Amino acid sequence: EVQLVESGGGLVQPGGSLRLSCAASGFTFSNSAMNWVRQAPGKGLEWVSGISNSGDSTVNADSVKGRFTISRENSKNTLYLQMNGLRAEDTAVYYCAKDIRPKIREEGAFDIWGQGTMVTVSS
Amino acid sequence: SYELTQPPSVSVSPGQTASITCSGDKLGDKYAVWYQQKPGQSPVLVIYQDIKRPSGIPERFSGSNSGNTATLTISGTQAMDEADYYCQAWDNSAVWVFGGGTKLTVL
Repeated sequence: EVQLVESGGGLVQPGGSLRLSCAASGFTFSNSAMNWVRQAPGKGLEWVSGISNSGDSTVNADSVKGRFTISRENSKNTLYLQMNGLRAEDTAVYYCAKDIRPKIREEGAFDIWGQGTMVTVSS
Repeated sequence: SYELTQPPSVSVSPGQTASITCSGDKLGDKYAVWYQQKPGQSPVLVIYQDIKRPSGIPERFSGSNSGNTATLTISGTQAMDEADYYCQAWDNSAVWVFGGGTKLTVL
């Protein structure tokens, strides 16, 4: 079964850090670009970060540049999101999503999504 | 920054055709992607590269994209199609952009 399982969410104070993980199974992880997408409570989807299949290329939304870092460990079939300098507006469910393409390009789309992990930034 | 605009809500009667639009500057020059999200669930890909349906997505879902508007069409809409729908496109500044979402009500 193709599956993505996120973990690492929780409650953190403003300015704090958190690392999210996404464990992949059921497909060849190293063949696919991967992404993080978040959804604030009651709001729409917001793309956060993307990484190519080999990890040599990453892109980030302006809202998280300089604060969040996406990475992957293909030997462990795992995607990560290191989040530093967290703000209240980062509060959201964070989804990892598999791209249909190996590189982050306009022909892509997200065909597999995890169940999400909740991140709450509050004092 | 690039923006995609969707109507907040669309209503359709069961068995009728629902059309959900997504507008953006020269969107027709890009690929449009569509996702369905039901309450409490993760998004599901329903259309990619403007017109392609992933395996398992019913044929009643179709897409088009021209000019400044991409459209998701659901023919013979069923109660199970009631959900939020999001469009997505790749911006030239190397970021993915989502539309604000459209709540489809089947009544």
